[in-house]
Amino acid sequence: SQQGEEDPQALSIQEGENATMNCSYKTSINNLQWYRQNSGRGLVHLILIRSNEREKHSGRLRVTLDTSKKSSSLLITASRAADTASYFCATGWDGSEKLVFGKGTKLTVNP
Amino acid sequence: NAGVMQNPRHLVRRRGQEARLRCSPMKGHSHVYWYRQLPEEGLKFMVYLQKENIIDESGMPKERFSAEFPKEGPSILRIQQVVRGDSAAYFCASSRNLGGLNTEAFFGQGTRLTVV
Repeated sequence: SQQGEEDPQALSIQEGENATMNCSYKTSINNLQWYRQNSGRGLVHLILIRSNEREKHSGRLRVTLDTSKKSSSLLITASRAADTASYFCATGWDGSEKLVFGKGTKLTVNP
Repeated sequence: NAGVMQNPRHLVRRRGQEARLRCSPMKGHSHVYWYRQLPEEGLKFMVYLQKENIIDESGMPKERFSAEFPKEGPSILRIQQVVRGDSAAYFCASSRNLGGLNTEAFFGQGTRLTVV
């Protein structure tokens, strides 16, 4: 299965701390994307990293990709209560347009 | 530029009825994807369509489920003779295609189907 697996399943931190979430996948990909989902809402695209990239930044977000280990990490720095949400990684691979999602990491940022 | 629009947001159906879920992609997007999400789970791919064509339906149940994306109008996910197990959130996403590379997909707010 191509499905990504996020780790940890749940993470609870204090406001101001950094949050790190990891994603592992099984086969070759051409890109990996991270999404956020607030409870009961749709998914919001955060960042896309291509297989030939190693690191990407967007505001307080930093994503790394290690294709040799088939893993990615999402770092949220200086977290805020509004960052409380579920975070999903999704992989896309050659020859297919569909994205395959993991089960997500549920992040709780306590004020 | 409005985002991906899904309607209805909530849909209640009795067992055996039909459910029709609609999705209008973002302007300029010709690719539509449907996903299903069960509580506390990730999204499971169902089907990928381009205008008038089903490209990949490997995630669609073989029976009762169908999808279309006509030349004019929204994409429709149709579930016939619904059962309780069909209760879930159904998300639609759209994207552009740039020379075959995956581009970011934009999601709608979802339709929450409850079968009673």
